[in-house]
Amino acid sequence: GQNIDQPTEMTATEGAIVQINCTYQTSGFNGLFWYQQHAGEAPTFLSYNVLDGLEEKGRFSSFLSRSKGYSYLLLKELQMKDSASYLCAVRDSGTYKYIFGTGTRLKVLA
Amino acid sequence: SQTIHQWPATLVQPVGSPLSLECTVEGTSNPNLYWYRQAAGRGLQLLFYSVGIGQISSEVPQNLSASRPQDRQFILSSKKLLLSDSGFYLCAWSTTGRGTDTQYFGPGTRLTVL
Repeated sequence: GQNIDQPTEMTATEGAIVQINCTYQTSGFNGLFWYQQHAGEAPTFLSYNVLDGLEEKGRFSSFLSRSKGYSYLLLKELQMKDSASYLCAVRDSGTYKYIFGTGTRLKVLA
Repeated sequence: SQTIHQWPATLVQPVGSPLSLECTVEGTSNPNLYWYRQAAGRGLQLLFYSVGIGQISSEVPQNLSASRPQDRQFILSSKKLLLSDSGFYLCAWSTTGRGTDTQYFGPGTRLTVL
């Protein structure tokens, strides 16, 4: 079956670093994506990994280990505006579908 | 650059009424198109996806249907809405081929069925 697991909720302090984990079990794999979704808004693309290793984009980094079915999103120098849900998604290699986790709601406290 | 449009932004409809939501993509050709629904506080549920004109794959049996009359137009419809159809409807597109194929979302339509 297809399954993606993320923690439901996390809390961190402004200026800190937070790591959001994602584990997946899918029948096919053609990339792992992270999205940010603010309350009441559509998801926006953050990062993409298809090979093992770390991808860095400013304050955001994403890591992938395909053998472990594991990814994380690392957010540095947290700001209040980073309070949002973070969605992990896997693109299925056999179809054109994207399988989404239920998202991690991050609260950044002053 | 590519843009994706959805309308309307919000909609309040009575139970049993019909529905038509439209999504169009600009700046790309032959995109893959998707309809998702997100219930309050929940994850994204894939409803339909399309890899070409007239080609629709349904993921969840329900009273909704989708059509793709033109390359960059995707329509979600219902003949009779149910209370359970309330939610945030998101259209998305991705490129075809073997590249990154990142999926991008439209602004969404918030539907309330009363």
